[in-house]
Amino acid sequence: GDSVTQMEGPVTLSEEAFLTINCTYTATGYPSLFWYVQYPGEGLQLLLKATKADDKGSNKGFEATYRKETTSFHLEKGSVQVSDSAVYFCALSDGVNYGGSQGNLIFGKGTKLSVKP
Amino acid sequence: DGGITQSPKYLFRKEGQNVTLSCEQNLNHDAMYWYRQDPGQGLRLIYYSQIVNDFQKGDIAEGYSVSREKKESFPLTVTSAQKNPTAFYLCASSLTGRQPQHFGDGTRLSIL
Repeated sequence: GDSVTQMEGPVTLSEEAFLTINCTYTATGYPSLFWYVQYPGEGLQLLLKATKADDKGSNKGFEATYRKETTSFHLEKGSVQVSDSAVYFCALSDGVNYGGSQGNLIFGKGTKLSVKP
Repeated sequence: DGGITQSPKYLFRKEGQNVTLSCEQNLNHDAMYWYRQDPGQGLRLIYYSQIVNDFQKGDIAEGYSVSREKKESFPLTVTSAQKNPTAFYLCASSLTGRQPQHFGDGTRLSIL
């Protein structure tokens, strides 16, 4: 079945460092891809998305490019801040029947990022 | 402001007791979802509903039940059959099944 694999954390960086969180997927169709962020004690917030190959999603300085040839959707940010400390989830929506309905999300296990001042 | 409201934020269950978690949305979304989050395991789908009066089991539905009598409401009952209910429960909604999901702030359930 479809799946998402993220790099395991925790990831600890100093402020202004470059961030990469790797995400690869397995899907039979042409999925949409998402990154969600979860701050401590809160729900998930959509960070960015891409719906087709070569699309680049971007938001708040974060970017990710949908790479069909490598089945990847790596999250990057050029200069992280302490306020970026959170758990980041990669997810896919395959748009075909999953559990009997279109569009359900399949999540990776999450990567915890800690940014030190 | 439009959004998803989950209540309560913290909930405690006694052995053998059923408890119900509330989820309300005013986004006019058709689809609603319940997830369970355990440390290091990401999110797992419990139940989902694409339309009023219809819902489907997700990956880990055993020990849980839901109803969808109104578009804006999708309560989750954790029954006594769920032997390991301690977790963080997240409700989400989306305009349709293929749109990004919006999440509530979660309910943390613990066993007394």
